[in-house]
Amino acid sequence: KAGVTQTPRYLIKTRGQQVTLSCSPISGHRSVSWYQQTPGQGLQFLFEYFSETQRNKGNFPGRFSGRQFSNSRSEMNVSTLELGDSALYLCASSLPGASYGYTFGSGTRLTVV
Amino acid sequence: AQTVTQSQPEMSVQEAETVTLSCTYDTSESDYYLFWYKQPPSRQMILVIRQEAYKQQNATENRFSVNFQKAAKSFSLKISDSQLGDAAMYFCAYRSASSNTGKLIFGQGTTLQVKP
Repeated sequence: KAGVTQTPRYLIKTRGQQVTLSCSPISGHRSVSWYQQTPGQGLQFLFEYFSETQRNKGNFPGRFSGRQFSNSRSEMNVSTLELGDSALYLCASSLPGASYGYTFGSGTRLTVV
Repeated sequence: AQTVTQSQPEMSVQEAETVTLSCTYDTSESDYYLFWYKQPPSRQMILVIRQEAYKQQNATENRFSVNFQKAAKSFSLKISDSQLGDAAMYFCAYRSASSNTGKLIFGQGTTLQVKP
């Protein structure tokens, strides 16, 4: 059974550019969440999608957006990149139901220069 | 709002010994789930153990067990017979039992060093 796949693994972008990160969940998982991990702020929740609908959104500016497709694959987009957006972006998927833990991908390391 | 606190930024343990990582949380909800995740240098977060708040019995997974004290809002992880492969950052996480959210709230993490 394939795990959660995130692409690309590494990305270097320039300030002001935009970036799109991709996440393919485990087959059958309809819930996908995104997290930003930095040394200073730790793991912060970005947003959660379930059946193509955004169910929750974290406290991030509107430059951060996402979507989920009918096959449960998800993308997140960051526009007008800032140096502070440099982070590890983690995607996680889960079966429906709060009792299940999330399975995480290996993340995308974004560096903004 | 719920919060999760891990007060030990770093811990170390001798191989084959036992170590306990601490976690406290704050919530007004009565039904929720608690998790411990491990993040090795490979970056992938791995689920170590899960506890349902409505269950009084502490969860156990092989060498990993928890001490869940609901009234004290404490959820510690005990690793027995520590192995070199246990070296990683460990995160405690909270998830509401509400079906309307899958959001995980994480603690700051504890880096565990295992000495041979």
